[in-house]
Amino acid sequence: GENVEQHPSTLSVQEGDSAVIKCTYSDSASNYFPWYKQELGKRPQLIIDIRSNVGEKKDQRIAVTLNKTAKHFSLHITETQPEDSAVYFCAARNSGAGSYQLTFGKGTKLSVIP
Amino acid sequence: DTAVSQTPKYLVTQMGNDKSIKCEQNLGHDTMYWYKQDSKKFLKIMFSYNNKELIINETVPNRFSPKSPDKAHLNLHINSLELGDSAVYFCASSQTSGRGNEQFFGPGTRLTVL
Repeated sequence: GENVEQHPSTLSVQEGDSAVIKCTYSDSASNYFPWYKQELGKRPQLIIDIRSNVGEKKDQRIAVTLNKTAKHFSLHITETQPEDSAVYFCAARNSGAGSYQLTFGKGTKLSVIP
Repeated sequence: DTAVSQTPKYLVTQMGNDKSIKCEQNLGHDTMYWYKQDSKKFLKIMFSYNNKELIINETVPNRFSPKSPDKAHLNLHINSLELGDSAVYFCASSQTSGRGNEQFFGPGTRLTVL
């Protein structure tokens, strides 16, 4: 089955700096890679996703890059703000395998220091 | 309107008891899921279910059983509760056909086993 590794487990940045979270996956057939943000005591919510036919996707201050050869994808947050503080999860799925399940990384706790 | 709802929000019970958590989605999605999030915040898929099949994560004890009375509901029954079952349980749903595969999470149920 799929295995997703996520690093770092914790990340502290100064407000205004950039934050990068990295994930690797094991199943070369995986083709869908979402990122979820979970604020304290809340539910995970999708913030951005990327499919395997795209190398990069951007949405305002958030961008995701995908390197299929290396089986590696990353989340980039620029101009961080205190409200970006949360736990971020990467995930991977092989839609073509008949399974709808996502395999999540273990999460990164991001703290943005004002 | 809440897209994915769960009841109860909090559940405190004694070891050995049997309990249920209810989940409902009003998004018209065809697939529903149950996740367990432990104290380290790891999100682990327990089940995924659509009108065709139930996929069970092999690590889930058979004390846990999902029951789906219809497409909009996937309830979780837990027998003979153990201390290690204490966690936050999230229900989620998605539409597996088409390009929009985002999983929407419910607010979570915090289960505490004493």
